[in-house]
Amino acid sequence: EAQVTQNPRYLITVTGKKLTVTCSQNMNHEYMSWYRQDPGLGLRQIYYSMNVEVTDKGDVPEGYKVSRKEKRNFPLILESPSPNQTSLYFCASSLSAVFHNSGANVLTFGAGSRLTVL
Amino acid sequence: GQSLEQPSEVTAVEGAIVQINCTYQTSGFYGLSWYQQHDGGAPTFLSYNALDGLEETGRFSSFLSRSDSYGYLLLQELQMKDSASYFCAVRRDSNYQLIWGAGTKLIIKP
Repeated sequence: EAQVTQNPRYLITVTGKKLTVTCSQNMNHEYMSWYRQDPGLGLRQIYYSMNVEVTDKGDVPEGYKVSRKEKRNFPLILESPSPNQTSLYFCASSLSAVFHNSGANVLTFGAGSRLTVL
Repeated sequence: GQSLEQPSEVTAVEGAIVQINCTYQTSGFYGLSWYQQHDGGAPTFLSYNALDGLEETGRFSSFLSRSDSYGYLLLQELQMKDSASYFCAVRRDSNYQLIWGAGTKLIIKP
């Protein structure tokens, strides 16, 4: 089944304890992205990756890191989590980010990871 | 600033038609997307409009007017399973930078 898989789905941690949220897709998608969703704010992009070894900041990158060493994986790293990073996180992928590509404008989302930082 | 405006909540009756509007102000514009999200679930893609006009996919249609910076999602023959939040999102550049609206919660009554 074509999908985006995130882990963990739920996590409660404490301030300052490094954590990684994994994201893996099995669709050979070039484009991958991380979003956070907070009530009343919609989704906000944290980081995105156009392809392997190509990553860039989204709108709210502070406090996060990413890497794209393989096409299928795009982990989100919180080096020193703080309570304001408590949120619902979504990983998403798309066939391509190239505008004219018909698959470029359909994002497939993972099931989400609910993170609480105490 | 850059913003997308959509109503926070819309209520409709099962079997009826409902329209969810989205107006946007962004520094760039490539197209307008619509996503559906059920409570506790992930957003799922509904439609994408790059050009003016109406796109129809089954019971759902999406409209765009670039000159008015406006679009809407039209849901016909509403079913209880359509109860969800609906998000509009603008693709503002070639790098797939998306700006999202805050979402519209659609409540359907029997």
